[in-house]
Amino acid sequence: GQNIDQPTEMTATEGAIVQINCTYQTSGFNGLFWYQQHAGEAPTFLSYNVLDGLEEKGRFSSFLSRSKGYSYLLLKELQMKDSASYLCAVNNGDYKLSFGAGTTVTVRA
Amino acid sequence: IAGITQAPTSQILAAGRRMTLRCTQDMRHNAMYWYRQDLGLGLRLIHYSNTAGTTGKGEVPDGYSVSRANTDDFPLTLASAVPSQTSVYFCASSDSVGGGEQFFGPGTRLTVL
Repeated sequence: GQNIDQPTEMTATEGAIVQINCTYQTSGFNGLFWYQQHAGEAPTFLSYNVLDGLEEKGRFSSFLSRSKGYSYLLLKELQMKDSASYLCAVNNGDYKLSFGAGTTVTVRA
Repeated sequence: IAGITQAPTSQILAAGRRMTLRCTQDMRHNAMYWYRQDLGLGLRLIHYSNTAGTTGKGEVPDGYSVSRANTDDFPLTLASAVPSQTSVYFCASSDSVGGGEQFFGPGTRLTVL
């Protein structure tokens, strides 16, 4: 089976930085995705890592270590609109994505 | 149509009834997927299709069936709904099977009483 773990909830202050960790144990690996999902809406793509290292995209960055089965999503200069759930998903190589349960981030003023 | 659409937006259904959730995409993506999302469990794959004419089972396929007669449409059918199928259902599509970004529809909120 697939096992993908991420914290359930995180709270941070506007303007701060938050790091959401994701650990995975899967039968195979062909890339890791991060999605953002606002309450009552569909998930939307944030980032994709297939090689080790850091991928930066504006205020958001994602890191991957394949040997450790570990990734994190870094959200910088937090804004109120960043309050959402963040989903870690692994492509285990058999054409399907396995999702973690998601991390709900609340940004406070 | 722009992207991926689902219908209905929400539905209340009596247990034992048959229900088909519709999903249509206009991006000419080969792969399509159906997920259910429940509180605390995240997104779980029900069925998928790599290309028109083929389908496969995901993590939680029991009680559901799908068909893929053409590239654009991927309906999900509950033959005889049960209360445990109360959930939010998302359809998604991707250009390349498994390896590419998945685009999600707006979801269908289904309540089975």
